[in-house]
Amino acid sequence: KAGVTQTPRYLIKTRGQQVTLSCSPISGHRSVSWYQQTPGQGLQFLFEYFSETQRNKGNFPGRFSGRQFSNSRSEMNVSTLELGDSALYLCASSLKGVGRNEQFFGPGTRLTVL
Amino acid sequence: AQSVTQLGSHVSVSEGALVLLRCNYSSSVPPYLFWYVQYPNQGLQLLLKYTTGATLVKGINGFEAEFKKSETSFHLTKPSAHMSDAAEYFCAVTPFDRAGTALIFGKGTTLSVSS
Repeated sequence: KAGVTQTPRYLIKTRGQQVTLSCSPISGHRSVSWYQQTPGQGLQFLFEYFSETQRNKGNFPGRFSGRQFSNSRSEMNVSTLELGDSALYLCASSLKGVGRNEQFFGPGTRLTVL
Repeated sequence: AQSVTQLGSHVSVSEGALVLLRCNYSSSVPPYLFWYVQYPNQGLQLLLKYTTGATLVKGINGFEAEFKKSETSFHLTKPSAHMSDAAEYFCAVTPFDRAGTALIFGKGTTLSVSS
């Protein structure tokens, strides 16, 4: 069974631009979560989608948004990029997104903001 | 609020030595606990998890962890380190078994293994 895929793997943007990252979950998984990983703040939860609905959201500004499509694929968007948005963005999928369920992570998209 | 503390941002061991990575959590309700490993330029891979039942949990690659409620700890151990164990390890907690619950991660511990 194919794992979680994320595209693109690397991105370089400049301040003020916007970016869209894509995540394809494991087949059959309906929950997709996004995390931001930085050296200073570590791994932080962005949001979680299930059946096209956002069920939970972390403490990030409104510049960070996401959506999920009917095939469970998810995208996240960051508008008006800031230098501090440089990070590894990880997507994780799980069957139901319930606490005890294992979340399977993709390889991440490394975003660099210049 | 729930939180996770990993003691020691960097641990170095010799090949064949015991690996001990420490994790303490804070949770107002019985937690679900996880250890993940991250190799360079890769995502996170689940090593093991504690949900309910036996407090000693065995995972992949010879790792195990013991849930100690009285000490609010979930330390990761491996009897004999291999060079391939060099990676970053994350302890995580999720406080509720309900939809949409996020993982709360510790800051991570980098494990170095020398020959």
